[in-house]
Amino acid sequence: EPEVTQTPSHQVTQMGQEVILRCVPISNHLYFYWYRQILGQKVEFLVSFYNNEISEKSEIFDDQFSVERPDGSNFTLKIRSTKLEDSAMYFCASRNPDSSYEQYFGPGTRLTVT
Amino acid sequence: GESVGLHLPTLSVQEGDNSIINCAYSNSASDYFIWYKQESGKGPQFIIDIRSNMDKRQGQRVTVLLNKTVKHLSLQIAATQPGDSAVYFCAETNFGNEKLTFGTGTRLTIIP
Repeated sequence: EPEVTQTPSHQVTQMGQEVILRCVPISNHLYFYWYRQILGQKVEFLVSFYNNEISEKSEIFDDQFSVERPDGSNFTLKIRSTKLEDSAMYFCASRNPDSSYEQYFGPGTRLTVT
Repeated sequence: GESVGLHLPTLSVQEGDNSIINCAYSNSASDYFIWYKQESGKGPQFIIDIRSNMDKRQGQRVTVLLNKTVKHLSLQIAATQPGDSAVYFCAETNFGNEKLTFGTGTRLTIIP
């Protein structure tokens, strides 16, 4: 069964550094998403991406965040200058608009900012 | 250091019994609802969904009930198994809106 994959599984970075989190969505999916989950809290929407542009974003997704689909398979989330409060699990998800509204989630990247 | 976060509601159920997990959703305009299961260290996994024009939907061992009047969603799991132990989240959205809004989650523990 096809699945969303994410790398790395764990990323440790120093405050102020840039990080790029990588995702490979399911191949025939056209909608892509990033969510985050701070430890012990609920999953929060960050951004959705369709047709090579952001379709929706939350208040969390400020100028420090950006997304890109650099080729036909990868979908990345960049945090320009990380803050301590960016420490969280970051989940990528994708969806096939032809089949259902279900968003398929990847296993997540744990980002630790020190 | 001590982690600060929401205190998850918990539910402990004897293996083989049925469980009911409840969720109050926030937006009366939401027209699509999903239950996700999240096991430790993994991403949310789709369980079952329901559209707002329905009040009940059944899957394999799971049933979702929707009460739009009181903005309440429930997930019933029949004949629970140890593998059902996880955190369960409800999520809401509306068609045309790509954002899923997740609830706070309930931790279900199955007692062998």
